Amino acid sequence: GNSVTQMEGPVTLSEEAFLTINCTYTATGYPSLFWYVQYPGEGLQLLLKATKADDKGSNKGFEATYRKETTSFHLEKGSVQVSDSAVYFCALLGAAGNKLTFGGGTRVLVKP
Amino acid sequence: DTGVSQDPRHKITKRGQNVTFRCDPISEHNRLYWYRQTLGQGPEFLTYFQNEAQLEKSRLLSDRFSAERPKGSFSTLEIQRTEQGDSAMYLCASSGAGDLNYGYTFGSGTRLTVV
Repeated sequence: GNSVTQMEGPVTLSEEAFLTINCTYTATGYPSLFWYVQYPGEGLQLLLKATKADDKGSNKGFEATYRKETTSFHLEKGSVQVSDSAVYFCALLGAAGNKLTFGGGTRVLVKP
Repeated sequence: DTGVSQDPRHKITKRGQNVTFRCDPISEHNRLYWYRQTLGQGPEFLTYFQNEAQLEKSRLLSDRFSAERPKGSFSTLEIQRTEQGDSAMYLCASSGAGDLNYGYTFGSGTRLTVV
C-alpha cells in the first residue's frame, strides 16, 4: 500500500535559519504529493502541492520538488519566521485518487 | 462559503456513552472524508463518501463506528460505547471529484476526550 515517511521532530531553529523537512514515499503509479501545515488548535491547511515528477510546488516562501527517482518531496524554506512554528505533514494522493495518505508529521519550533 | 465546518469543537464523554459529530462540507464538493488524528501522529483515513454513497471504509472503523451522509450534503460520524482509545481529533475534509489534485479542504476538527 501507499506510505509516507517524514523526519521526526521536533525541529528547533532560530529565526532566519534554513529549514528542511525530509519526506519520502512509497506508492504505485504516479501519485500527487502535498505538504499540509497545522497551526496550534487548528485544522490542516494545504501549503503546497506537486502533481507530476519534477514539478516544484511553492507557497509562502516554502518549496518542494517532486523527485520520482528518489521518491522524495522534501520541504524547504530559506529563512524561517516565528510564525512558521507549526506541525508539517507530507501526504500523497494515490493514482486511484481515493484518499490522502499522511506522514507522521514534523513539529517545527522557530525561536526569536 | 465558510469552508468545512465541524461541530462540536470539543466533546468530553464518559466511557460507554455514544457520541455523534457533524461535518458540513463546502457546498459544491461531492466528496467527503473522515480522518482520525491521535496526539503526535498524522491523520489516519477512516472513510469517505461520494455524494451519499460510502465508497470506502478503513479497517480502523470498527463496528462501533458508523458514518452517514444521507442527502449528500452534511455527514455524521457516530461512535457507540466509547472507549478511552477513541480519544482523538476527528477531522472532516471535502473535495470536488474533478479537482482531487488540489487536495482536500479540512475542517478544524472535533476533539474527543473519553474519561
